[in-house]
Amino acid sequence: SAVISQKPSRDICQRGTSLTIQCQVDSQVTMMFWYRQQPGQSLTLIATANQGSEATYESGFVIDKFPISRPNLTFSTLTVSNMSPEDSSIYLCSVEIGGVGDTQYFGPGTRLTVL
Amino acid sequence: TQLLEQSPQFLSIQEGENLTVYCNSSSVFSSLQWYRQEPGEGPVLLVTVVTGGEVKKLKRLTFQFGDARKDSSLHITAAQPGDTGLYLCAGANSGGSNYKLTFGKGTLLTVNP
Repeated sequence: SAVISQKPSRDICQRGTSLTIQCQVDSQVTMMFWYRQQPGQSLTLIATANQGSEATYESGFVIDKFPISRPNLTFSTLTVSNMSPEDSSIYLCSVEIGGVGDTQYFGPGTRLTVL
Repeated sequence: TQLLEQSPQFLSIQEGENLTVYCNSSSVFSSLQWYRQEPGEGPVLLVTVVTGGEVKKLKRLTFQFGDARKDSSLHITAAQPGDTGLYLCAGANSGGSNYKLTFGKGTLLTVNP
């Protein structure tokens, strides 16, 4: 398994501003993922972030809105740009740990409220 | 696009009752994971199943992977209030650099004392 931390744990932001969320892992991992979870909903994959390459975005998510950095094998950031109230969600990072079943482990999440 | 249909979406039961949550798909998955999520926290892995027909037990929880690796179930025996939470199933493809998890919509379980 892996120990994953996220900063901030929660934030309240004004419309039109941007927020950068950090994800730190206690071991080196190749694959990191960013998800969005809207209130009462399941998880939606935003993008896959592999170290040394550009992030791969899922349909409906674009780099200009959700730029991602992956500077090394233990760290990644997701920025939510030009926020609107519709961006209010929980943002989760996860890592894939090799071994049995391609399992992902999740961070505690960042609860974002946009006013 | 792979889809996972999870049911029921909501479940409210009394302490001591049994329950089963289902995940079904028309797609084959290389593995399937079950997670439990409590309010304000990230999903916590319960189990990963990888072999068709596999059954895994975790105390009062029994997980089964379908023979064709397209469906899975979670059975909880004698549910307790501490079992309350959002249960998520997620299927993995084995696409190498295209690897990703497909999540079901979740089952919100409430166990009343």
